[in-house]
Amino acid sequence: EAQVTQNPRYLITVTGKKLTVTCSQNMNHEYMSWYRQDPGLGLRQIYYSMNVEVTDKGDVPEGYKVSRKEKRNFPLILESPSPNQTSLYFCASKLAGGGETQYFGPGTRLLVL
Amino acid sequence: DQQVKQNSPSLSVQEGRISILNCDYTNSMFDYFLWYKKYPAEGPTFLISISSIKDKNEDGRFTVFLNKSAKHLSLHIVPSQPGDSAVYFCAAYSGYALNFGKGTSLLVTP
Repeated sequence: EAQVTQNPRYLITVTGKKLTVTCSQNMNHEYMSWYRQDPGLGLRQIYYSMNVEVTDKGDVPEGYKVSRKEKRNFPLILESPSPNQTSLYFCASKLAGGGETQYFGPGTRLLVL
Repeated sequence: DQQVKQNSPSLSVQEGRISILNCDYTNSMFDYFLWYKKYPAEGPTFLISISSIKDKNEDGRFTVFLNKSAKHLSLHIVPSQPGDSAVYFCAAYSGYALNFGKGTSLLVTP
């Protein structure tokens, strides 16, 4: 089954404790992206990657890191999480080229205390 | 600054009637527009899209209209069904960056 998976689905952590949210897709998509969803703000793009070793900032990259060492994986790293990073995070992927629809993972709900 | 705007946070429609969800944008460089549907506890799922060179795209009960001069697009659902109750996001591409609106929560009542 074609899908985007994220782990963990739920995470509670404390300020300053480094964490990684994994994202994996099995559709051989070149493009992958991370979003956060906050009440009243909709979905905002954090980082995206057009292919292996190619990443770029989205609208809200501060406090986040990403890496793309393999085509199927695109982990989101919070080196020193803060409470304002409490959010619902979505990973997505699509084929290269403009306009192709993105396929979203199920989301990771993060609470930073 | 929000480049894709959905000014109606919620909409309630009776089953069988037409639902019209609206979206405005400010960036004239957007070249591809999409609508996503989202249920609680799930990721957004693609619904329908339209290229900036078209003014209408239809897929079953769903039609998207694009008015480039007004920088406005709308999603029409006819007829509306209770299973359409969800949050609908308008989104637009500028290059490889996808910009989302804040979403409109649609409730279809029996």
